[in-house]
Amino acid sequence: KQEVTQIPAALSVPEGENLVLNCSFTDSAIYNLQWFRQDPGKGLTSLLLIQSSQREQTSGRLNASLDKSSGRSTLYIAASQPGDSATYLCAALTYVIKAAGNKLTFGGGTRVLVKP
Amino acid sequence: EAQVTQNPRYLITVTGKKLTVTCSQNMNHEYMSWYRQDPGLGLRQIYYSMNVEVTDKGDVPEGYKVSRKEKRNFPLILESPSPNQTSLYFCASSTSGGALTQYFGPGTRLTVL
Repeated sequence: KQEVTQIPAALSVPEGENLVLNCSFTDSAIYNLQWFRQDPGKGLTSLLLIQSSQREQTSGRLNASLDKSSGRSTLYIAASQPGDSATYLCAALTYVIKAAGNKLTFGGGTRVLVKP
Repeated sequence: EAQVTQNPRYLITVTGKKLTVTCSQNMNHEYMSWYRQDPGLGLRQIYYSMNVEVTDKGDVPEGYKVSRKEKRNFPLILESPSPNQTSLYFCASSTSGGALTQYFGPGTRLTVL
């Protein structure tokens, strides 16, 4: 059974500092890994999706890496801003043979606060 | 605008009173799923559907039912709600069997008294 872990659960940094968010997963047979942002009381917004064949994806100040062999993904946010304050979640998509379907397993999230 | 909609957004009900939370997407996605989010437990998948008439259990299906009669709709049914089903519920959709970007609805906050 896939398990996804995000450490730390919370992180506070001064504005301008680079953010490094970690995600680990136990089953390396994943289709992809996706990073989401969630603002308080709101839904999830997809930030980046890395296919299992890729090593990294970039979008603006965001860069996500994937190392399947070690079961790890890292989200980097450069030059953090107060508007980056949110909870960041990672999720791994795994194929379930018994069900012939795909299952998405989420980590617990890292709550980020960027102080002005 | 491409979106996933959920109704209602907020609901307070009593134990045992059947309810349905609707989910609809306008992106012609095959894959749809339901999650619940609880403090300290994160997001957990309840049910998912690979396509019309194809549904399967996620991690926490007990007490829930779903149906997928049309591609765009994926309602979540609570036949006899209990207080432990008080939670924030999210519907999501994707294409390619869920292998591409997941689009989430705004959430439904359910309280069962």
